[in-house]
Amino acid sequence: DAGVIQSPRHEVTEMGQEVTLRCKPISGHDYLFWYRQTMMRGLELLIYFNNNVPIDDSGMPEDRFSAKMPNASFSTLKIQPSEPRDSAVYFCASRAWTARMNTEAFFGQGTRLTVV
Amino acid sequence: AQSVTQLDSHVSVSEGTPVLLRCNYSSSYSPSLFWYVQHPNKGLQLLLKYTSAATLVKGINGFEAEFKKSETSFHLTKPSAHMSDAAEYFCVVSEFRGSQGNLIFGKGTKLSVKP
Repeated sequence: DAGVIQSPRHEVTEMGQEVTLRCKPISGHDYLFWYRQTMMRGLELLIYFNNNVPIDDSGMPEDRFSAKMPNASFSTLKIQPSEPRDSAVYFCASRAWTARMNTEAFFGQGTRLTVV
Repeated sequence: AQSVTQLDSHVSVSEGTPVLLRCNYSSSYSPSLFWYVQHPNKGLQLLLKYTSAATLVKGINGFEAEFKKSETSFHLTKPSAHMSDAAEYFCVVSEFRGSQGNLIFGKGTKLSVKP
């Protein structure tokens, strides 16, 4: 498997524009996570899905952020409208759940978002 | 509720000396514990994991961690630091119950290695 694939790797956009980040999880994984990482706040969980259903979105900063998982192989994180304070590295991760043990999450390479 | 505390935000060692990165956790159920490493401008990579088998866990690049239930600790060690170990390290806890799939990350420890 190619691992968790995120696109784009880098995104520069102007304030007020819509931004869409994409993630393809590892095939067969039940969980998908979106994280945001900044120098000031560290690594923050934004939202996670189980079998395509959002389980916890309490980390989504505000209504400008939305995430979807239309099928098991694709998820998007959308920011509309974007603001400079949204500049961060956004990571997607996926993991498989088994009845016997917790497994690790596998991370994508991240999308570095810069809002100017 | 689960939580993770990494006791040091920054650790500095000399090359060839031992590394100790400390992690304490809180969990109401049987936890699984992980250490991840993030090199500058890179994604997160799994170093090692504890999932209720052996309490001393060996990972990649010579790292080890010991699960101590009585101390609720999962400290990361390496006998001899290498320059390439300079990175940020995250301790992570996950509870094994029902369908809970969330991972709780510590705030990270930045490891610097001096020549």
